[in-house]
Amino acid sequence: RKEVEQDPGPFNVPEGATVAFNCTYSNSASQSFFWYRQDCRKEPKLLMSVYSSGNEDGRFTAQLNRASQYISLLIRDSKLSDSATYLCVVRSGAGTALIFGKGTTLSVSS
Amino acid sequence: EPEVTQTPSHQVTQMGQEVILRCVPISNHLYFYWYRQILGQKVEFLVSFYNNEISEKSEIFDDQFSVERPDGSNFTLKIRSTKLEDSAMYFCASSEWGQGNTDTQYFGPGTRLTVL
Repeated sequence: RKEVEQDPGPFNVPEGATVAFNCTYSNSASQSFFWYRQDCRKEPKLLMSVYSSGNEDGRFTAQLNRASQYISLLIRDSKLSDSATYLCVVRSGAGTALIFGKGTTLSVSS
Repeated sequence: EPEVTQTPSHQVTQMGQEVILRCVPISNHLYFYWYRQILGQKVEFLVSFYNNEISEKSEIFDDQFSVERPDGSNFTLKIRSTKLEDSAMYFCASSEWGQGNTDTQYFGPGTRLTVL
């Protein structure tokens, strides 16, 4: 079973659309959760950490369901600049390593 | 804004040769990491380093790999005898504390290694 699974997409949406990405993780000992963004051939950049109570940062909302081992990211009012690959990332409580999903590709068009 | 830097941006080498990839982590960070990403694949953890020793490593990080902090600023990854399958983008990262949701790993721009 893959450690972090994501729907690879691509998700093709028009500007202004709302889009949701889902992710599941297999290690129940995972303690830290993140969404990173990766542009083509660039380094991953932190988009937001994901907290148990859910959290929001502008147009981005992240949710965590520990019982289901499920993480989500909602992007409202999509912009052209949101086009990228979104990486679901977890880290176990005992470790330092980030475990990445393969990513979900988003393409926002005008 | 402080950033992680890496050199070179692209390294081409012959199979069997040794390569050293270099990184300058963010200056007040204590944890350093190497990851790799084979083209079209996910980002994979290689190793983490704290207080001048390896704190965690993956199965990928075998005896062909080594890491070093030769001075107060640089952090290097050495591959002793490169194989074709070592061709990938290698990312260095650094963070302040190593754990927790508030500990952010900042990634450098990567070194693209091509083994011929």
